[in-house]
Amino acid sequence: QKEVEQNSGPLSVPEGAIASLNCTYSDRVSQSFFWYRQYSGKSPELIMSIYSNGDKEDGRFTAQLNKASQYVSLLIRDSQPSDSATYLCAVTRNTGKLIFGQGTTLQVKP
Amino acid sequence: SAVISQKPSRDICQRGTSLTIQCQVDSQVTMMFWYRQQPGQSLTLIATANQGSEATYESGFVIDKFPISRPNLTFSTLTVSNMSPEDSSIYLCSAKGQNTGELFFGEGSRLTVL
Repeated sequence: QKEVEQNSGPLSVPEGAIASLNCTYSDRVSQSFFWYRQYSGKSPELIMSIYSNGDKEDGRFTAQLNKASQYVSLLIRDSQPSDSATYLCAVTRNTGKLIFGQGTTLQVKP
Repeated sequence: SAVISQKPSRDICQRGTSLTIQCQVDSQVTMMFWYRQQPGQSLTLIATANQGSEATYESGFVIDKFPISRPNLTFSTLTVSNMSPEDSSIYLCSAKGQNTGELFFGEGSRLTVL
């Protein structure tokens, strides 16, 4: 079992819709969770961090964490073509190291 | 967030040679890491760069192949030794912020081995 699992996609949504990206992790003691966005040919860019159960909203982005289910998700409201990218879920081990999922490719169609 | 500069940004190398990638952070950070991203793949952690001591390598990565230095809190180097075409990849330097624990990345170094 991989430490961090994501559906590789592609996930295709129409412009203006809500995109829902999901991630599960295997290490129950993980405490910090992150979502990165990576455009083709670019390095990953941090867009959200979440540390406690529940929802965290930042603009059009909402991160959701459920530690009991070992599940973290990212919702993107009012999706725009510029949101088309690969979204990487990352989880911190208790050593402080950040482990990444394989990423979900999002395509927002005009 | 920390600003992380890497160089070279890209290089084309011959099989059997070695290349050193430099990483400079604009502020003191607690932890620095090196990742590899092979074509079409996600990020794989190579090692933690420890200031003033030997790096801590992940399973599958060894010091002889990927020697790492971190002489101070803001600078690190990764060498890819005795390169083969399988080493063609993007190598990313990253640093963890002191207060938030968030990880930030340099622009990456795209390495092509012929």
